[in-house]
Amino acid sequence: EPEVTQTPSHQVTQMGQEVILRCVPISNHLYFYWYRQILGQKVEFLVSFYNNEISEKSEIFDDQFSVERPDGSNFTLKIRSTKLEDSAMYFCASSKTPVNTGELFFGEGSRLTVL
Amino acid sequence: ELKVEQNPLFLSMQEGKNYTIYCNYSTTSDRLYWYRQDPGKSLESLFVLLSNGAVKQEGRLMASLDTKARLSTLHITAAVHDLSATYFCAPRGTPGTYKYIFGTGTRLKVLA
Repeated sequence: EPEVTQTPSHQVTQMGQEVILRCVPISNHLYFYWYRQILGQKVEFLVSFYNNEISEKSEIFDDQFSVERPDGSNFTLKIRSTKLEDSAMYFCASSKTPVNTGELFFGEGSRLTVL
Repeated sequence: ELKVEQNPLFLSMQEGKNYTIYCNYSTTSDRLYWYRQDPGKSLESLFVLLSNGAVKQEGRLMASLDTKARLSTLHITAAVHDLSATYFCAPRGTPGTYKYIFGTGTRLKVLA
């Protein structure tokens, strides 16, 4: 069954360092998302991406964050200068289209620990 | 902005019992999802509810949607230990947007 894959599964970084989290969405999906979940808390929307541009972003997604689809398969989230509060599990998701069921399929997540 | 509340936040129940998890949301939404999350794992889609009065059932779980009341329920029938997990509802934001707003989650523990 097709699935969303994410790398790395866990990354530890020093505060102020740049981090790139990678995702390979399901191949025929057109809409891509990043969500995050701080340990034990609810899942928060960060950004959605369609047709090579950001469709929508939350207030969390400030200038320190960026997304990119560098080729036909990868979808990346970059955090330019990490802060302690960026420590969280980051989930990539994709959907075929929001017009139909728009069901989100989530990857296994990338755990980011900022020291 | 759409706000979502789930009740209860924690639920401990005996095997074989029935219970309902409630999801209230603050503004109109055209679709709502229920997800399951096991500890340290990703989010697994359980149900997508697309219209008022929609009801879906899978095994011991049944979800319903009342868009007028802005309420969705997840009913558990004859709980078993394997249902222990955290359950999230996630209505979509206003139609035409791409983001889904997750509820606070209900951590369910089924005791053998």
